[in-house]
Amino acid sequence: LAKTTQPISMDSYEGQEVNITCSHNNIATNDYITWYQQFPSQGPRFIIQGYKTKVTNEVASLFIPADRKSSTLSLPRVSLSDTAVYYCLVGDRGFNKFYFGSGTKLNVKP
Amino acid sequence: NAGVTQTPKFQVLKTGQSMTLQCAQDMNHNSMYWYRQDPGMGLRLIYYSASEGTTDKGEVPNGYNVSRLNKREFSLRLESAAPSQTSVYFCATHRGADRVAQETQYFGPGTRLLVL
Repeated sequence: LAKTTQPISMDSYEGQEVNITCSHNNIATNDYITWYQQFPSQGPRFIIQGYKTKVTNEVASLFIPADRKSSTLSLPRVSLSDTAVYYCLVGDRGFNKFYFGSGTKLNVKP
Repeated sequence: NAGVTQTPKFQVLKTGQSMTLQCAQDMNHNSMYWYRQDPGMGLRLIYYSASEGTTDKGEVPNGYNVSRLNKREFSLRLESAAPSQTSVYFCATHRGADRVAQETQYFGPGTRLLVL
């Protein structure tokens, strides 16, 4: 299983771009990288997923270097409502398990 | 569509009591999961069911049992609750296609359990 490492917490201000990096040195060839967001008292919800290079959707961008040993979630112009915990997961193809880790707590200040 | 539903939303138990947490999905997903989340911590996988009729242990299975009743329902049972099982329990589903890693999980709203 590919283990992930993320910063425990990050602070930002409204309007800034936030980049959260996740390390996954043991990622397997067929693994995808998925990011989830969790608000207090709610279950996690999907943000973005990618395999290599760059993926962008209406919420975020995901940058994955060629060696795929890390990935960076980029949130453009954050607002107070982006205060949440963000989890990086590396898919475990074939075993059907998902391990979340501790995530990164993002605190957006006014 | 309701997605993933969990019952009850909140429960208080005394040490040694038993209870079953229910999870149901209407997404026609093959795989279902139970996680626990302790205060300020990440999610830990308790048990999962890759498909109807199969169940497997996750990271923290001790003290729990599961039943995949049918494709829609996956229950988690605490036979003899302990204070260490105080947590929020989340059920999740996944389409469970061959290329598992390309799909995402969908989570229920959670069940808050307090064991006194």
